[in-house]
Amino acid sequence: DTAVSQTPKYLVTQMGNDKSIKCEQNLGHDTMYWYKQDSKKFLKIMFSYNNKELIINETVPNRFSPKSPDKAHLNLHINSLELGDSAVYFCASSQDPTASGTYNEQFFGPGTRLTVL
Amino acid sequence: KNEVEQSPQNLTAQEGEFITINCSYSVGISALHWLQQHPGGGIVSLFMLSSGKKKHGRLIATINIQEKHSSLHITASHPRDSAVYICAVETSYDKVIFGPGTSLSVIP
Repeated sequence: DTAVSQTPKYLVTQMGNDKSIKCEQNLGHDTMYWYKQDSKKFLKIMFSYNNKELIINETVPNRFSPKSPDKAHLNLHINSLELGDSAVYFCASSQDPTASGTYNEQFFGPGTRLTVL
Repeated sequence: KNEVEQSPQNLTAQEGEFITINCSYSVGISALHWLQQHPGGGIVSLFMLSSGKKKHGRLIATINIQEKHSSLHITASHPRDSAVYICAVETSYDKVIFGPGTSLSVIP
C-alpha cells in the first residue's frame, strides 16, 4: 500500500506553460507539505496545509499555488513555468503537529522530477 | 553560515564499520528529523527527535538540546546503507530548515 503518492513521477514541459502535480495520502494525516529539492540536492519547504488552511508559506513565487480538495489531497499548481522551476518536488504528510503538543514524523512521497525546457 | 550544518559532507566506509553523522543547528527547535534519500531519489523519514535517543534496528539517533547537536549512528554498516542522510529541524516558528546532507558510501 502506498502511503503518500505523487503523480506524475516525471514532467517535462516548455517555459510559460501551466502544470499541476498531484499528491494523495492514505494515512489519515491532517497536515500535508510540499518541498522543492534543487539541483544541489538542497531541500526547502514550500507549503504546509492543515485542515485546508495554509500554515506555512515560505518565500515562494505566487506562480505556485497549493490546492487541497480534501484532507487526503494537496495538489501543486504552477503557472507560467520558468527554467528555474526545474527541480524535484516532494509531497509529505504528518499528523497535525500542533494538535496534541507533540511533533510528528513526516512521510514522504516518491517525488516528481520537473524539467522545464 | 547555514542555520543547520552537517558533517562530514561525504563519507566512505568499509562494510561493517560504525558510522557517525553529525548535525548542529543555531536556532531554537521543537523537533529534529533525520531523513534518508536513496540513490533513486526517494526520501524516507528515519527519526523524529525532540530529546534523548531513539533506536531503530542498526540506526541510533541522539540529540542534545543544550548543545544544539544531534548525531545519527549506523552500526555494522552495509552497502545498502549507502544514501544521503539529511538532518532537518522544525523551528519554534513552524519553519523547517534542512541541512545540506551527508553522502554516505559503504563499500563491500
